[in-house]
Amino acid sequence: GDSVTQMEGPVTLSEEAFLTINCTYTATGYPSLFWYVQYPGEGLQLLLKATKADDKGSNKGFEATYRKETTSFHLEKGSVQVSDSAVYFCALSDPNTGGFKTIFGAGTRLFVKA
Amino acid sequence: DADVTQTPRNRITKTGKRIMLECSQTKGHDRMYWYRQDPGLGLRLIYYSFDVKDINKGEISDGYSVSRQAQAKFSLSLESAIPNQTALYFCATSSQGEETQYFGPGTRLLVL
Repeated sequence: GDSVTQMEGPVTLSEEAFLTINCTYTATGYPSLFWYVQYPGEGLQLLLKATKADDKGSNKGFEATYRKETTSFHLEKGSVQVSDSAVYFCALSDPNTGGFKTIFGAGTRLFVKA
Repeated sequence: DADVTQTPRNRITKTGKRIMLECSQTKGHDRMYWYRQDPGLGLRLIYYSFDVKDINKGEISDGYSVSRQAQAKFSLSLESAIPNQTALYFCATSSQGEETQYFGPGTRLLVL
């Protein structure tokens, strides 16, 4: 079945450091790919998404490119802030199901130190 | 005001007790979901509902039941709680044809 694997955390960075969180997926079809973020005490919220190969999703300085050849969707940010401390979830969705079948990775916790 | 609300936010209960977690939404979405989150396991789908008359089991529905009282309300029940149901529970919504899901703030449940 479909699955998502993302790097284990926690990831600890200093403010203004470069961030990469790796995500790879296994899917039989052509999924849409997502990054969700969960801030402390809150539910998940969509950070960015990409719906087809070579698409780049971006939001709040974060970027991820849909790489079909490597089945990856790595999250990057050039300069992290303390306020980026959160748990990040990579996810995929089969568009043929209208999104109800969304598979989430285990999550990667990011700590950013001032 | 939050678009997706969950009550209670925290709950402690004892083994064998029946409890209900409630979810309400003002987004007007037809689809609603219940997930549980466990450390290192991400989110796992318990039940989902496409509308009031369409309820489906997810990957881990054993020990849970749901009720879709209205388009805006979707409740999750634990008929007889057990300690391994201790987890963080999230309700989510989406609209037909849109893949993005919108989450409530979660209910932290502890079963003693």
